Amino acid sequence: DTGVSQDPRHKITKRGQNVTFRCDPISEHNRLYWYRQTLGQGPEFLTYFQNEAQLEKSRLLSDRFSAERPKGSFSTLEIQRTEQGDSAMYLCASSWENTEAFFGQGTRLTVV
Amino acid sequence: AQSVTQLDSQVPVFEEAPVELRCNYSSSVSVYLFWYVQYPNQGLQLLLKYLSGSTLVKGINGFEAEFNKSQTSFHLRKPSVHISDTAEYFCAVSDRDSSYKLIFGSGTRLLVRP
Repeated sequence: DTGVSQDPRHKITKRGQNVTFRCDPISEHNRLYWYRQTLGQGPEFLTYFQNEAQLEKSRLLSDRFSAERPKGSFSTLEIQRTEQGDSAMYLCASSWENTEAFFGQGTRLTVV
Repeated sequence: AQSVTQLDSQVPVFEEAPVELRCNYSSSVSVYLFWYVQYPNQGLQLLLKYLSGSTLVKGINGFEAEFNKSQTSFHLRKPSVHISDTAEYFCAVSDRDSSYKLIFGSGTRLLVRP
């Protein structure tokens, strides 16, 4: 297993466009988390899944954001009608139950 | 509600000197504590974790941390740093009440000078 992988690593998009990011967790992990990290800050929790069920969403996750994990394996995070304030690093992590989380390399989004 | 405070935004230190990065947390229940390291344009790598048991935790790359419940602290230490330790370090806490999601501090940039 190569760890948590995220695709793409970088994304530049124009304001108003939709973007989708993918996360492939470590295969035996049942939990998957999405975090957002802006420059000079620590990661902020967005949402998490246990298997295919989305169990919690942060108030940071506006209606323009949606996440799925359809088969309890990979997950996608979609941002509709992107705004400049969405520019950030989007990090995915996975874990087995409440043990330590392993992070992917992140997707850096730039909205121009 | 949980929170994590990393008071030092940047810590400059000379190579081979010791270093301590401070972390204080607030939580009303039993906690799990973590230190992660982040190199530029990379994800986070786990350095060490405290789940239970011994309060002195040893991690990778020669780092260690001590859990102090009375002071609600989990400071990270290394007796002799290398240039390659230059990175951003994040302290994080999780507990049952937060469904074990990680709450991060704002990070401390360790800058190791030759």
